[in-house]
Amino acid sequence: KQEVTQIPAALSVPEGENLVLNCSFTDSAIYNLRWFRQDPGKGLTSLLLIQSSQREQTSGRLNASLDKSSGRSTLYIAASQPGDSATYLCAVMLGGQNFVFGPGTRLSVLP
Amino acid sequence: EAQVTQNPRYLITVTGKKLTVTCSQNMNHEYMSWYRQDPGLGLRQIYYSMNVEVTDKGDVPEGYKVSRKEKRNFPLILESPSPNQTSLYFCASSLGILRGTDTQYFGPGTRLTVL
Repeated sequence: KQEVTQIPAALSVPEGENLVLNCSFTDSAIYNLRWFRQDPGKGLTSLLLIQSSQREQTSGRLNASLDKSSGRSTLYIAASQPGDSATYLCAVMLGGQNFVFGPGTRLSVLP
Repeated sequence: EAQVTQNPRYLITVTGKKLTVTCSQNMNHEYMSWYRQDPGLGLRQIYYSMNVEVTDKGDVPEGYKVSRKEKRNFPLILESPSPNQTSLYFCASSLGILRGTDTQYFGPGTRLTVL
């Protein structure tokens, strides 16, 4: 059964720092991997989607990488801002269009 | 405005009293899904639907039913709610044509408490 983990569970950094969030999955047979952010009391917002054949995707200050063979993905956030404070979740899509989510990393960017 | 709406947003009920949480999207999306989010367990998929009249079980379907009679609506039905179904529920949709490669849009969530 596919399991997704995320490290660290929580992270606090000063504004302006670059940071890396990690996502690991146990079964490399995935179709794609997505990164989401969730603000307190709200739904999820899609950030980046990486197909299984891709190595990375970029959107603004965000860069996500995927190493399918080793079961890892990273989300790199450059020049962090207080507005980046949220919980970041990764999710893998399996063959039947079903998803398995990680537990999330709670990020606090301090002014 | 493109959106996914859920109703109600908050619900407190008692064990065994049937309830329905509605989900509606206005983007003509084919793929719709229900998740529950619990502390320490993260987001888990309950059911999903790839199109009208096509539904499949996710990781935690027990105690839930869904229906997809029309493209825009995907209600979640709890026939006999129990306290372990107390959770935060999210509905999501995406175009879904290319095996779910499209962006998923999430509803605002429904916080359900079963006493």
